[in-house]
Amino acid sequence: SYELTQPPSVSVSPGQTASITCSGDKLGDKYPCWYQQKPGQSPVLVIYQDRKRPSGIPERFSGSNSGNTATLTISGTQAMDEADYYCQAWDSSTVVFGGGTKLTVL
Amino acid sequence: QVQLVESGGGVVQPGRSLRLSCAASGLTFRRNGMHWVRQAPGKGLEWVALIWNDGSNKYYADSVKGRFTISRDNSKNMLYLQMNSLRAEDTAVYYCARDGTKSLDFWGQGTLVTVSS
Repeated sequence: SYELTQPPSVSVSPGQTASITCSGDKLGDKYPCWYQQKPGQSPVLVIYQDRKRPSGIPERFSGSNSGNTATLTISGTQAMDEADYYCQAWDSSTVVFGGGTKLTVL
Repeated sequence: QVQLVESGGGVVQPGRSLRLSCAASGLTFRRNGMHWVRQAPGKGLEWVALIWNDGSNKYYADSVKGRFTISRDNSKNMLYLQMNSLRAEDTAVYYCARDGTKSLDFWGQGTLVTVSS
């Protein structure tokens, strides 16, 4: 079965750039997306189709994807961005999530 | 605005059944595929099932195949998940979510299912 691999944790200082990676076989062909989940809340879509931002998502969130790795980048990270982030892709007609990355802003 | 409201969660004994519901509003329900996704306590997201907009096709994670059934009633804007032969490892918050552009673009608040004797 298809697998997506994320680092368990990433730390960043306020105002700096955070990068969270997601790796999977030929992920560059699969248009992955990213979700943000804060404690006690439902996931929120922040990036879809590699790099598109849904309405209401700040411009500091961006995405890229090439080869076997997709990257979520948060520029000028704010304290409110501290959360768990999950990548997601499709494998045939099923959905696959990465294991999640806890972003700590300190 | 899109609203998805899950219900039906609770405490159930191993081997028993439970049916979850998801009430949709603020969208043209019959146009979108719908998913169930679960999250065990302190763990990551796990996709459970997908049903196409017209109910003609259904897909399941291997972990629930043969035990869970996804269905929908487009006349009532309702999504369902029938869960049979429940196990302790099915304990999780269950979310319904709308199928978007290769993504799940709107999520409900979730309903907690606890499988315990």
